[in-house]
Amino acid sequence: SQQGEEDPQALSIQEGENATMNCSYKTSINNLQWYRQNSGRGLVHLILIRSNEREKHSGRLRVTLDTSKKSSSLLITASRAADTASYFCAPSNFGNEKLTFGTGTRLTIIP
Amino acid sequence: EADIYQTPRYLVIGTGKKITLECSQTMGHDKMYWYQQDPGMELHLIHYSYGVNSTEKGDLSSESTVSRIRTEHFPLTLESARPSHTSQYLCASSAWTGGAGGYTFGSGTRLTVV
Repeated sequence: SQQGEEDPQALSIQEGENATMNCSYKTSINNLQWYRQNSGRGLVHLILIRSNEREKHSGRLRVTLDTSKKSSSLLITASRAADTASYFCAPSNFGNEKLTFGTGTRLTIIP
Repeated sequence: EADIYQTPRYLVIGTGKKITLECSQTMGHDKMYWYQQDPGMELHLIHYSYGVNSTEKGDLSSESTVSRIRTEHFPLTLESARPSHTSQYLCASSAWTGGAGGYTFGSGTRLTVV
């Protein structure tokens, strides 16, 4: 299993602004997932994008995937205080079902 | 409601004690995982199971052991707790079928060994 590397490590924005965080990985993948972790809690699955997809939307979330650059981005639009959390990406391949998580991006929404 | 449960939520225990962290899921998932995470740090996979009577060690060496006697239950045991075991332990399950879904995590057990 390979680990994604999230960037930036920390991000603070005003409520209502958009938040963008990035993920890079090293080897080819079949899909990539994004998770959210509120302080002291477990991770929550947000969205999965397959290698043949370039963009995917879910509510206020927009995920892009560029397999040529081995990178993905997560955009949260119209941020809310409740979006304050750490966000992790997890690249994955079929046949390797163990996900590996990095240190994530710590997002703080300032009211 | 389908979910994954971890108990206890918090545990403070003395050095040398034996402890078992419980993890149960009601979704019928075959695959279950244990991760260890220190505050603000990455998650480390310490154990996983792909079905009943199947357990494997993860990427991070751990002195803990696990068992999988029933599909829904995946407890983690430390025979003799030490301060170095102080951490958060997260259990997860998956019905992974080559990309159809993600992991479902429990709320975690925060363990403090004094």
